[in-house]
Amino acid sequence: GAGVSQSPRYKVAKRGQDVALRCDPISGHVSLFWYQQALGQGPEFLTYFQNEAQLDKSGLPSDRFFAERPEGSVSTLKIQRTQQEDSAVYLCASSLKGLDFANTGELFFGEGSRLTVL
Amino acid sequence: GDSVTQMEGPVTLSEEAFLTINCTYTATGYPSLFWYVQYPGEGLQLLLKATKADDKGSNKGFEATYRKETTSFHLEKGSVQVSDSAVYFCALTNSGGYQKVTFGTGTKLQVIP
Repeated sequence: GAGVSQSPRYKVAKRGQDVALRCDPISGHVSLFWYQQALGQGPEFLTYFQNEAQLDKSGLPSDRFFAERPEGSVSTLKIQRTQQEDSAVYLCASSLKGLDFANTGELFFGEGSRLTVL
Repeated sequence: GDSVTQMEGPVTLSEEAFLTINCTYTATGYPSLFWYVQYPGEGLQLLLKATKADDKGSNKGFEATYRKETTSFHLEKGSVQVSDSAVYFCALTNSGGYQKVTFGTGTKLQVIP
């Protein structure tokens, strides 16, 4: 399809398990973002990629969270040793332009991956 | 740091009623302002935006004006429809650099026939 695709849509993990969430951005989009959205809250920034370079990971809540985008297209968010507080919807968004564009562009969001940690 | 505050929901309105969802922001520099909407079962999508003071963003009958003096970006629609039922997020981007978006907590709107 033409939009941002995320998988899996739903993931249930036992506490302590590792999970991997995948994002397929729109083809040709330079920028890619990961957000975490807790129930009833707005999305919170996790990390940003421009092509394959991770330029900002200031929002990652702990060193259990790791993201990569090795070829500048598909990205994976990995959470190690999951905890109950990791339960949330993880949103991926992409944008056509990169670092030196005026801040007037549009982010295109996927439907999210809902993670439930038991 | 940058932050966005929007009115808590849920907001329940009858069809054809007037809608206002309040949003205020705190930011350094000159942010761009956005309203995103999330329809049930769908991803977030951009509704409208304004990039400088006194700009008015509009789309699908919704409007919001960038008010620098009151640091506000209230969303309005003159006559809501059942199909407008969704969660609305006010958001901003920091000036310069890449487009790191800061979101408010969202306001759920329910329109009843």
